Amino acid sequence: AQSVSQHNHHVILSEAASLELGCNYSYGGTVNLFWYVQYPGQHLQLLLKYFSGDPLVKGIKGFEAEFIKSKFSFNLRKPSVQWSDTAEYFCAVNGGYGQNFVFGPGTRLSVLP
Amino acid sequence: DTAVSQTPKYLVTQMGNDKSIKCEQNLGHDTMYWYKQDSKKFLKIMFSYNNKELIINETVPNRFSPKSPDKAHLNLHINSLELGDSAVYFCASFPRGSNTEAFFGQGTRLTVV
Repeated sequence: AQSVSQHNHHVILSEAASLELGCNYSYGGTVNLFWYVQYPGQHLQLLLKYFSGDPLVKGIKGFEAEFIKSKFSFNLRKPSVQWSDTAEYFCAVNGGYGQNFVFGPGTRLSVLP
Repeated sequence: DTAVSQTPKYLVTQMGNDKSIKCEQNLGHDTMYWYKQDSKKFLKIMFSYNNKELIINETVPNRFSPKSPDKAHLNLHINSLELGDSAVYFCASFPRGSNTEAFFGQGTRLTVV
């Protein structure tokens, strides 16, 4: 069965600081990987996704993530955060056909102005 | 045109009542999910329907029952509501077997008083 862990429950940063949110998954086969963002009071929106190819993927709003297969990791990064990035961030895994779409527990990011 | 729509957006009801939440997707996807997001923001899969067939049923109380009249709809019916059922419920659709992301509805905030 697939599982996803996220390293940090709550991250607090000042504006312009760099961000890295950790994500590790457990699944033996080929996986599709995702980062979703949930702004306060809103639904989940896709930030970026990885299926194959270049392990460094770029998403919306200046976010990027790197897939490191040997570490079963898919960490999210942003060089300079803004107050508007304050949200809950979820890493998700889908192990392909017949597998479920499983989310990590989420990391709350608070950016101080 | 909203891809995945849920109604109602907010639902306040008394303990013991029976309620339903509706979900419709116009993406032609063959798999739909219901997730429960608790106060700690953790997203837990409740049900998944693939072509009207229940393919997973996580350890949720049998007071919760998914109903799918057709491929585009997956409604969630809850009997004898309890205080602990208060949460945000998200519907999602996903084209199983394809390299793409899950699409989410805007969520239904259920408050049981």
